[in-house]
Amino acid sequence: KAGVTQTPRYLIKTRGQQVTLSCSPISGHRSVSWYQQTPGQGLQFLFEYFSETQRNKGNFPGRFSGRQFSNSRSEMNVSTLELGDSALYLCASRWDSSGNTIYFGEGSWLTVV
Amino acid sequence: AQRVTQPEKLLSVFKGAPVELKCNYSYSGSPELFWYVQYSRQRLQLLLRHISRESIKGFTADLNKGETSFHLKKPFAQEEDSAMYYCALSDNAGNMLTFGGGTRLMVKP
Repeated sequence: KAGVTQTPRYLIKTRGQQVTLSCSPISGHRSVSWYQQTPGQGLQFLFEYFSETQRNKGNFPGRFSGRQFSNSRSEMNVSTLELGDSALYLCASRWDSSGNTIYFGEGSWLTVV
Repeated sequence: AQRVTQPEKLLSVFKGAPVELKCNYSYSGSPELFWYVQYSRQRLQLLLRHISRESIKGFTADLNKGETSFHLKKPFAQEEDSAMYYCALSDNAGNMLTFGGGTRLMVKP
């Protein structure tokens, strides 16, 4: 079956703009989480959604937000982009909210100039 | 607060040599520990988890609660083991992963 799919794979934005990233989980998976990966900070948890509800949130400013739709697809949005938001954004899905293997997508590379 | 530390950013060994990637954690409860691997140009994927107590691709990892460690070991490294390895911890509910900084393993021929 298809893995976690993220779009777009690469994008370049200007400071102050906003960006929306999309994630389609593995079919049947209801939990979707997002991570930011940077050379300096490594992999950091952003938030997790389960059945359209945010269950957990990492230590990121309010400019970072997300949502999950009824078909479990998820989007994350970053407003008022800063240079430091340049990163690989990874989406991960699993069957339910606990105890199961988490599967990662290939990520969306965001460059802010 | 939970934290995962991988003290080595780079580990270089020769093919056939034993390899140990170190991972130490801090967590107040009973964590679940994982090793994830990322091969070149591939997505991050689960290598093993401590509750499974299994060996994957010859790798094993034992949770040592006394030393709060979860080191990854393989007796004989292969060139195809060259990759980035991340140790991760989740809380009891498994709702989020806290990752270490990663160790790049290079296996030389």
